Amino acid sequence: DAGITQSPRHKVTETGTPVTLRCHQTENHRYMYWYRQDPGHGLRLIHYSYGVKDTDKGEVSDGYSVSRSKTEDFLLTLESATSSQTSVYFCAISAIGGVQETQYFGPGTRLLVL
Amino acid sequence: DQQVKQNSPSLSVQEGRISILNCDYTNSMFDYFLWYKKYPAEGPTFLISISSIKDKNEDGRFTVFLNKSAKHLSLHIVPSQPGDSAVYFCAASDGNQFYFGTGTSLTVIP
Repeated sequence: DAGITQSPRHKVTETGTPVTLRCHQTENHRYMYWYRQDPGHGLRLIHYSYGVKDTDKGEVSDGYSVSRSKTEDFLLTLESATSSQTSVYFCAISAIGGVQETQYFGPGTRLLVL
Repeated sequence: DQQVKQNSPSLSVQEGRISILNCDYTNSMFDYFLWYKKYPAEGPTFLISISSIKDKNEDGRFTVFLNKSAKHLSLHIVPSQPGDSAVYFCAASDGNQFYFGTGTSLTVIP
């Protein structure tokens, strides 16, 4: 257990509304990540953070923004949700595990955009 | 373009038999490979990993094999148990980011 929680766990929203998903970690990990999981695509990186106020884009960052004002919290915002953003969103942290740095995931947030 | 591929979306195996899940990758810069297991409504959980300097890593019933020349890795589960029924993702790292396959759904039949 990497001490990662996500909120909300489920959300239904309408097209055009803003949505913010929260990831909270309790073990002071420096690196945090947001992924989305879709059928036929596996897990795709949206944004990641390598420290407070330090973030960078991933593979599928369009339509998403992130913020990290505290080590323990990493927020993902959909400024204006679209139906194509219906997905399951996972937060992850990096920690030493196995042979080297390994990613550990939160429980996920299921988002439905109508 | 998918850099990590799992070409079998599903696999069914009898309890007690061996499960073999396969994964192919295209980027020769990948130096670390991992397998994750995912149950419905939960996040992926880390299962086992292997560095590119090795060709085999074993942890209990789980063994990962790496064939660098073929850019192929596989996960062997022996013996398979009903609780192993889940979606398995392979992943690869180039030291900067992790890249995930699309997953293989394993069903172990009692």
